[in-house]
Amino acid sequence: KNQVEQSPQSLIILEGKNCTLQCNYTVSPFSNLRWYKQDTGRGPVSLTIMTFSENTKSNGRYTATLDADTKQSSLHITASQLSDSASYICVVRAKRSNFGNEKLTFGTGTRLTIIP
Amino acid sequence: NAGVTQTPKFQVLKTGQSMTLQCAQDMNHEYMSWYRQDPGMGLRLIHYSVGAGITDQGEVPNGYNVSRSTTEDFPLRLLSAAPSQTSVYFCASSYESFNTGELFFGEGSRLTVL
Repeated sequence: KNQVEQSPQSLIILEGKNCTLQCNYTVSPFSNLRWYKQDTGRGPVSLTIMTFSENTKSNGRYTATLDADTKQSSLHITASQLSDSASYICVVRAKRSNFGNEKLTFGTGTRLTIIP
Repeated sequence: NAGVTQTPKFQVLKTGQSMTLQCAQDMNHEYMSWYRQDPGMGLRLIHYSVGAGITDQGEVPNGYNVSRSTTEDFPLRLLSAAPSQTSVYFCASSYESFNTGELFFGEGSRLTVL
C-alpha cells in the first residue's frame, strides 16, 4: 500500500532558527514529490516539486532534498520567520498505469509553529 | 486572479439534509477534484474530473455526487448528510493530472453535520 509518513507531527522553534521536516514514502512507481504549505484556515499552496533526477532544489529560504534510493525527502527552512508558521504537507505522485486512476498520496503534515 | 473559489466557507447541517458545495476556477484547467481533510489524516480524494462531462470516483466517494457541465464549475453534492461527513472540504484544479501537475486549492469549506 502506498504510504507517506511525515515527521515530526509538530514542531515549535524560535524565530530566526533553522529546521528540517522529514517525509518518507513507499509510493511506487515514483513520479514526483511536492511539498505544500498550508496556512491555518487556507488551502495548501505548492512550495516545490522534486522529480526522480533531482537531489536538491531551493525556493528562497526553503530547500527540499530527495533521496530516491531511500525514498526520503526533507524540507529545510532557513532563518525562520513568523509567517512560516503553517502545516507542511508532503504529496507523492505515482506514475499512472494505462488503466489506473489518478494516484496521489498525501502525508498528514507537520505543524510548524514559530515563536518570537 | 481569483484562482479556485469555493462557497460557502462555513455550513452547519442537520443529519439527513442535503446541500451543494460550489467550486469554480478561472484558470481554464481541465482537471478538478474534491478532497476532504480530517484531523490526523492526509487529504483524501472524493471525486475528480478530467474534463467537462467526465467524472470519476476517488478514495472516499460514498455519500457524495459530482457533475461537470462546464470547464469552470465542479459542484459537490451531499445527498443526505451524516455526522461522519463533518470535515473541511477542498476543491483543487490542475493543468494536467498525470504528469507534474501542481494542484491549486480553494480556501476550503468547513462543514459541520449535527
